[in-house]
This record gives sequence, C-alpha cells and structure tokens, in this order.
Amino acid sequence: EDQVTQSPEALRLQEGESSSLNCSYTVSGLRGLFWYRQDPGKGPEFLFTLYSAGEEKEKERLKATLTKKESFLHITAPKPEDSATYLCAVRVTSGTYKYIFGTGTRLKVLA
Amino acid sequence: KAGVTQTPRYLIKTRGQQVTLSCSPISGHRSVSWYQQTPGQGLQFLFEYFSETQRNKGNFPGRFSGRQFSNSRSEMNVSTLELGDSALYLCASSLGGDGYTFGSGTRLTVV
Repeated sequence: EDQVTQSPEALRLQEGESSSLNCSYTVSGLRGLFWYRQDPGKGPEFLFTLYSAGEEKEKERLKATLTKKESFLHITAPKPEDSATYLCAVRVTSGTYKYIFGTGTRLKVLA
Repeated sequence: KAGVTQTPRYLIKTRGQQVTLSCSPISGHRSVSWYQQTPGQGLQFLFEYFSETQRNKGNFPGRFSGRQFSNSRSEMNVSTLELGDSALYLCASSLGGDGYTFGSGTRLTVV
C-alpha cells in the first residue's frame, strides 16, 4: 500500500537552530515529491517539487533533498516567521495518477 | 495576479442535507483538484478535473461529486451529509505537472 510518513509530528526550535524534517515514502511509480508550507487558516503554499533521487532545491533558508526512500527539508538558521506546518506529498501512478499527502510536521520557531 | 478563490469560506449544514462548494482557479490553469483536510486524516485527495473531464478520483464514496465548467471553474457537491464530513475542503489549481496553488478553503461544519 502506498504510504507517506512525516517525522517528527512537531518540532520546536530556537531562532537560528538548524534542523531537518523527514518525509519517508513507500510507493510504486513515483512521479514527483512535493513540499508545501501551511499556515493556520490558509491553504498549503507550494515550496518545491523533486523528481529524481539526488535532486536538491533551495529557497531562502529551506533546502529539499530526495533519495529513493525519503526526502528531507533542511531549515537553516530558522526565524519565527518560518513557523508553520510543513507538508510532504507524492504523486504516484497506479492506473491513473494519485496524490498522497503526509500528515505534516508542525514547526514552531521561538525568538 | 488573483489566486485560487473558494466560496463560501464557512458553511454550517445539518446532517442529511447537501452542499455545493465553488472554486475559481488561477486564470489559465486548466487543472483543478479538490482535497479534504481533517486533523486526524490530514489532506486526502478527492478528485481532479482537467478541461471539464474528471481525470483522477480518490477513495471517497459516491456522495462526493464534482464538475468543471468550460471556464475552468469547478464545483464539488456532497449529498446526504454526515457528521464525519466536517472538514476543510481545499481546491487547488495548476498548469499541470508541477505543484499546486491552493485556495484558502471552505470550512464545512455538519451538525
């Protein structure tokens, strides 16, 4: 069964304390892995798409990497405004395309 | 540039009623997807439309249906509402292939 698991469920960091969020997946026919950020009361905001193992993408303090079994979202020197829920999603083919989201990591960055 | 617009933002319905939610995608985006988000299950894929045709469907009962119009606007309908249908319903649009742009969602409460 296709599955996406994110860890940790919640993470508290001090401002400037770098860390990584994990997204592990067990799927067949991966056609892209997506990272989103979601603020309370809002829809998810697209961050990155990764398509193949070894691929990396960066945006400001965020860097996403992909292996054959997992993806990491590295947050370097986070600021309080980085506090949000970070969601990982995979698009897979099983007959037709299917989209599976993880349950997210709630990140809180303290000033 | 206008984002994805969902109406209404909040809705309260009684068990057994039906409800229709509306989504206007970003201009030029022909793909529209719908998701249900709950605290326990996270984001779950409902269906995707492209050029007025349903391209993909998630594992939801037939009470959940949708359609897309020639101007790419989309509606989803839930009939015979149940308490468990209470959730944030998110619409997302894309040009196809890469990440979605989500709306802010419709918060549906079934009482």
